[in-house]
Amino acid sequence: EAQVTQNPRYLITVTGKKLTVTCSQNMNHEYMSWYRQDPGLGLRQIYYSMNVEVTDKGDVPEGYKVSRKEKRNFPLILESPSPNQTSLYFCASSLGRAGIQYFGAGTRLSVL
Amino acid sequence: GQNIDQPTEMTATEGAIVQINCTYQTSGFNGLFWYQQHAGEAPTFLSYNVLDGLEEKGRFSSFLSRSKGYSYLLLKELQMKDSASYLCAVKIGAWSAAGNKLTFGGGTRVLVKP
Repeated sequence: EAQVTQNPRYLITVTGKKLTVTCSQNMNHEYMSWYRQDPGLGLRQIYYSMNVEVTDKGDVPEGYKVSRKEKRNFPLILESPSPNQTSLYFCASSLGRAGIQYFGAGTRLSVL
Repeated sequence: GQNIDQPTEMTATEGAIVQINCTYQTSGFNGLFWYQQHAGEAPTFLSYNVLDGLEEKGRFSSFLSRSKGYSYLLLKELQMKDSASYLCAVKIGAWSAAGNKLTFGGGTRVLVKP
């Protein structure tokens, strides 16, 4: 089944404790992207990538890192999480340069 | 920068028609998407417009006017299951080796009443 898989689905952590949210797709898509969704602010793009080792900043990249060492995986790294990064995070992938996005189920992160 | 505006909330009756407007001000416009998102779920693709005009897909249609920076999503014969948020997203065409940027509006929550 074609899908985008994020893990974990739910995470509660404390300020400053490094964490990684994984994202994997099995559709051989070139484009992958991370978003955060907050009430009243909608979906905001954090980082995106068109290919292995090629990434670029979205609208809200501060406090996040990504890597694209393999085409299928695009992990999101929070080196030192802060409470303002409490949010619902979505990973997405698409064929080509930001085509139709297929979203993962989401990761709900709480930073205390 | 980019600015995308949609109404926050709309209410309509089952069987009726609802039109959700989206206006945008961006540099390097390269296409507009509409997504549907049910509460607690991931967004799913509804439509894509890159040229002016109307795209029809069953009960859903989407219109784009590039010169006016305007799009709408039309939902006909509303059903209870159409209660969801509808997200407008603009693809920014500035070239980057990493691909294109996508900017979403805040979303419009549609409530369908019996």
